[in-house]
Amino acid sequence: QKEVEQNSGPLSVPEGAIASLNCTYSDRGSQSFFWYRQYSGKSPELIMSIYSNGDKEDGRFTAQLNKASQYVSLLIRDSQPSDSATYLCAVKPLIKAAGNKLTFGGGTRVLVKP
Amino acid sequence: EAQVTQNPRYLITVTGKKLTVTCSQNMNHEYMSWYRQDPGLGLRQIYYSMNVEVTDKGDVPEGYKVSRKEKRNFPLILESPSPNQTSLYFCASSLDRLAKNIQYFGAGTRLSVL
Repeated sequence: QKEVEQNSGPLSVPEGAIASLNCTYSDRGSQSFFWYRQYSGKSPELIMSIYSNGDKEDGRFTAQLNKASQYVSLLIRDSQPSDSATYLCAVKPLIKAAGNKLTFGGGTRVLVKP
Repeated sequence: EAQVTQNPRYLITVTGKKLTVTCSQNMNHEYMSWYRQDPGLGLRQIYYSMNVEVTDKGDVPEGYKVSRKEKRNFPLILESPSPNQTSLYFCASSLDRLAKNIQYFGAGTRLSVL
């Protein structure tokens, strides 16, 4: 079992719709969770971080964390063609584990169609 | 401007010819890390450093070396590159190793080993 799992996609959504991305993780002790956006050939760019159970909203993005079920999700509202990218879920383990290591999922490719 | 700078951005080399990819950050970050990204495998950590002269292996350290003589620089060294090291490499840094600290990524180095 992979430590962080994501559906590879592509997730195709019409412009203006909500894109829903899911991520599950295996380390129950994980403390910090991040969503990065990555355009093809470019570096990952942080779009959301979440540390406690519940929802966190930032503009058109909402991250949801459920530690009991070991999943974290990302909602993109009013999807735009510029949101077409690969979204990487990253999980950070307990502070006493290997430094500041982020474990990444394989990413979900999102295509927003006009 | 706060940034992580990698050089070169693109590199084509031949098997066995030693090379160094440089990484520099101007944010006075303690923690720095190297990742490689391969299709279907996502981002995987190669080495990380929690401070000057403190380095440790990540998930895929074989064939790589690093050094941290200064806080701002964290070069990645391939003593004898092989074709399986053809990949997209990212350097990242964060303030320290605390769980909430966000990692900032460089623009990436695309390496081809022939």
